[in-house]
Amino acid sequence: DTGVSQDPRHKITKRGQNVTFRCDPISEHNRLYWYRQTLGQGPEFLTYFQNEAQLEKSRLLSDRFSAERPKGSFSTLEIQRTEQGDSAMYLCASASDGYTFGSGTRLTVV
Amino acid sequence: QQQVKQSPQSLIVQKGGISIINCAYENTAFDYFPWYQQFPGKGPALLIAIRPDVSEKKEGRFTISFNKSAKQFSLHIMDSQPGDSATYFCAATKPIYNFNKFYFGSGTKLNVKP
Repeated sequence: DTGVSQDPRHKITKRGQNVTFRCDPISEHNRLYWYRQTLGQGPEFLTYFQNEAQLEKSRLLSDRFSAERPKGSFSTLEIQRTEQGDSAMYLCASASDGYTFGSGTRLTVV
Repeated sequence: QQQVKQSPQSLIVQKGGISIINCAYENTAFDYFPWYQQFPGKGPALLIAIRPDVSEKKEGRFTISFNKSAKQFSLHIMDSQPGDSATYFCAATKPIYNFNKFYFGSGTKLNVKP
């Protein structure tokens, strides 16, 4: 499978816990994006990497959120001290000309 | 402020009918307008896209109509099929070098009845 892979697919966590998601982009794509999608809404931009450099961050990405892309390959998105409002689908996309989205990680904070 | 507004929120169409979804945008700097299709449990997948130098683009049963002066664009699905039942998102972007931040509409849930 040469698409964008995200892991885990589902995560249920208790409020206050930390969670980390992983995205493996298409190997030849040097651009990587994270989006968040809440129920009944379109995806909202969180952050952008070109290779290993994080070049853009949304104001949605509070200081509890951090993203990395070591060596310009896979990326991780960590949420510290999760809140119920963090419950959403977290989508990763890699890009050359157009975007290719992964299937997302659905986070439920209870 | 929502940069791209989409309607309707949901749509029911009989098999063989035409599905029409509309979007409007504010930012005249946007120069790429894609439509994405999303099935439950999956990420959005690119369906068709248009740039503002043309007024219409057709790919199979899917057509985008674009009205630059009205800042509106729409997706038409001809001969709608039950397999088209999904959520559709319009989006817009203005590329800055290699950075494409997409602004998505809120989605339209399409149900095509057999």
